[in-house]
Amino acid sequence: EAGVVQSPRYKIIEKKQPVAFWCNPISGHNTLYWYRQNLGQGPELLIRYENEEAVDDSQLPKDRFSAERLKGVDSTLKIQPAELGDSAVYLCASSPGTSGGSYIQETQYFGPGTRLLVL
Amino acid sequence: TQLLEQSPQFLSIQEGENLTVYCNSSSVFSSLQWYRQEPGEGPVLLVTVVTGGEVKKLKRLTFQFGDARKDSSLHITAAQPGDTGLYLCAGADRGSTLGRLYFGRGTQLTVWP
Repeated sequence: EAGVVQSPRYKIIEKKQPVAFWCNPISGHNTLYWYRQNLGQGPELLIRYENEEAVDDSQLPKDRFSAERLKGVDSTLKIQPAELGDSAVYLCASSPGTSGGSYIQETQYFGPGTRLLVL
Repeated sequence: TQLLEQSPQFLSIQEGENLTVYCNSSSVFSSLQWYRQEPGEGPVLLVTVVTGGEVKKLKRLTFQFGDARKDSSLHITAAQPGDTGLYLCAGADRGSTLGRLYFGRGTQLTVWP
């Protein structure tokens, strides 16, 4: 079974340009996450979807970042305009989303990430 | 903001040595997970611990969750070069943001042949 797929794997852009990242989660997984991982840091959640609904987007910088998951399957994260500080690895993860609110954390399966460099 | 402190930040050892890495917080978590991340890849889950005082073993890796569910440790016996990677701990929020994981900065482990 295929894992989480992300594209592109690498992206180099100039500041003020727009950029978009795409994620296809594991088939059947209802929950999708976007994380940002800065150099030397652990991943930080940007947004979490339950099917089509964004249920946790409090850490998404909404002035320049947007995300969508229109059909509850794949998702796109966009930055417009990009700033130098946006250089990071953007990770997508998915989980089954069947825990029913249990406190036991579901297993999140991560993709390989998109490495963004803003010049 | 919940903060997970991991130590040491870097660890470089010879094959066959034992090691322990730590994950500490002032917050209580409903569960805690350990991940390993290799260069150019996303983190891969190693274990989830849920109960205070819980100990789980995965081959040469032993994970322990603190009694108060605020800290955890990972012990590796007879480390091998294949153990090289970034070890991340992540705590699950018990509150309204159910499902959010808070990651530490990680311990970068290098095991030399």
